[in-house]
Amino acid sequence: DTGVSQNPRHKITKRGQNVTFRCDPISEHNRLYWYRQTLGQGPEFLTYFQNEAQLEKSRLLSDRFSAERPKGSFSTLEIQRTEQGDSAMYLCASSLGSLEAFFGQGTRLTVV
Amino acid sequence: DAKTTQPTSMDCAEGRAANLPCNHSTISGNEYVYWYRQIHSQGPQYIIHGLKNNETNEMASLIITEDRKSSTLILPHATLRDTAVYYCIVRLHGGATNKLIFGTGTLLAVQP
Repeated sequence: DTGVSQNPRHKITKRGQNVTFRCDPISEHNRLYWYRQTLGQGPEFLTYFQNEAQLEKSRLLSDRFSAERPKGSFSTLEIQRTEQGDSAMYLCASSLGSLEAFFGQGTRLTVV
Repeated sequence: DAKTTQPTSMDCAEGRAANLPCNHSTISGNEYVYWYRQIHSQGPQYIIHGLKNNETNEMASLIITEDRKSSTLILPHATLRDTAVYYCIVRLHGGATNKLIFGTGTLLAVQP
């Protein structure tokens, strides 16, 4: 297993377009997390899945954001009608229960 | 989750021990201390965690004071590749999400 995989690594999009990111967690990790990180700040929690169930969403996750984990394996994060303020690094992490979480390399989104 | 306080930045000479402090005076009895680091443009990397006993692994040592109000991460022989932002996080085990709440961390610059 090569760890948490995120695709794409970089995405440039025009304001108003929709974008979707994918995260493949470590095999058999039942918990999956999405975070967002802007320049100079630590990562901020967005949402969390246990298996296929989305159990918590941050207030940062506006109604333009949606995340899914349909079969309890990979997850997607979609942003609709992107805004310049959405420009950030989007990080995915996974864990086996409450054990330590492992992060992917992130997807860097630039909205122009 | 309890809040942590870390210095904004620190320098360390290559080959010397790097000692990174963290204050977590409001930590509760069932909260663990976690350390992650983030090398530029990469996802956070798990380093080590502990509850009340000192811990050591292949990457680092974690020293937690007896009252658990502070801790120190020790990199015994720092290399240039250890230059990164180091995050100290307190995290509840067995909670609903076990999400990580990041601060702004300590930027450790290892000097040649």
